[in-house]
Amino acid sequence: DTGVSQDPRHKITKRGQNVTFRCDPISEHNRLYWYRQTLGQGPEFLTYFQNEAQLEKSRLLSNRFSAERPKGSFSTLEIQRTEQGDSAMYLCASSLDRVGAKNIQYFGAGTRLSVL
Amino acid sequence: GQNIDQPTEMTATEGAIVQINCTYQTSGFNGLFWYQQHAGEAPTFLSYNVLDGLEEKGRFSSFLSRSKGYSYLLLKELQMKDSASYLCARSSGSARQLTFGSGTQLTVLP
Repeated sequence: DTGVSQDPRHKITKRGQNVTFRCDPISEHNRLYWYRQTLGQGPEFLTYFQNEAQLEKSRLLSNRFSAERPKGSFSTLEIQRTEQGDSAMYLCASSLDRVGAKNIQYFGAGTRLSVL
Repeated sequence: GQNIDQPTEMTATEGAIVQINCTYQTSGFNGLFWYQQHAGEAPTFLSYNVLDGLEEKGRFSSFLSRSKGYSYLLLKELQMKDSASYLCARSSGSARQLTFGSGTQLTVLP
């Protein structure tokens, strides 16, 4: 395990369908973050987990978005009733949060979602 | 990106030096990061500054002034492969979530 992995890399769906993305963080990392990135912009923070606890979710874009990290390892991001405006790159990052650590976030390659 | 300002585009010549500036809001600040992102790929960590001063790592250096809310990334001996987007990001709060600028698209010309 040399980095953050995300699956799938690409997802094409029709408007109104539900989609789920998976993220496997670096194994010893206790924090996991989800970001969204649209063309020509930097990533935008959505939510994060400390182990299995979701400590910030107010930045999720709507109640159609939800995330889980049930055992404090991998995480899933679900978008229900997708809309064309949901088309973007969804990035996952993980970090090690402890005293003295720099909490550097390492990113996965992302899942590119296209909603038709 | 909200609260983070950096130039949209820069162009430089192979072998030259380029400096990419970034200004940010200082409230809740607890660290400044630079990432490199090639088109269609993940952002790759370059540098982290939390104290004032210069951090040097090979051809890349990053500077921070906390009082001025200012950072820059310095790239020396530019190579064609350095053509990419460079993202300035501020870490804040207990979540240490990153707030990114829109990125500076650097084009290195032969």
